[in-house]
Amino acid sequence: GAVVSQHPSRVICKSGTSVKIECRSLDFQATTMFWYRQFPKKSLMLMATSNEGSKATYEQGVEKDKFLINHASLTLSTLTVTSAHPEDSSFYICSASTSGSTDTQYFGPGTRLTVL
Amino acid sequence: DQQVKQNSPSLSVQEGRISILNCDYTNSMFDYFLWYKKYPAEGPTFLISISSIKDKNEDGRFTVFLNKSAKHLSLHIVPSQPGDSAVYFCAASESEPGTYKYIFGTGTRLKVLA
Repeated sequence: GAVVSQHPSRVICKSGTSVKIECRSLDFQATTMFWYRQFPKKSLMLMATSNEGSKATYEQGVEKDKFLINHASLTLSTLTVTSAHPEDSSFYICSASTSGSTDTQYFGPGTRLTVL
Repeated sequence: DQQVKQNSPSLSVQEGRISILNCDYTNSMFDYFLWYKKYPAEGPTFLISISSIKDKNEDGRFTVFLNKSAKHLSLHIVPSQPGDSAVYFCAASESEPGTYKYIFGTGTRLKVLA
């Protein structure tokens, strides 16, 4: 079955530093990858949609200069949180789709980011 | 391998009838389960959850049933309404203090026909 991994699973960093989170599709080619942020009430917020080889499409209210997304290959997308602040502490989840449709998405296990 | 599976990618139901969405899991360590609802161009929103100490949780028109021996959960929506048309994801986790680590299924698109 389709598997998506995320690395790291947990990261703790100091305020002002940058953190990179990787999302990999292990056994399939992901045409599209999605990045979500999970808030304490459990709902997921879609941050951006990335297609391989093109710029990511960010949702309204998401700062593209702060959350840098790169989708360099059909199996890898990265989210870099630049100049992280404590309010960026959250759970970040990626998902991958083979067709670009949001109906069938393979979710990664998530990355817990804590900014001190 | 997929630890949480939603084997039906789509489901159509007449308005007013019951919608039943199914989810199977393989990891016996999972003890907390959630259902999310997702509209197009939005992130999934939390709908209802159930812990493994229960076999049923009800919230208005939505009821989640858990069968631990079968490693199966289902979401019942009754009566179904056109506004329920969305993609539904189930998710599961092992209880771990301070974490929201969930394993998601691939989603089932529900279409409620007027």
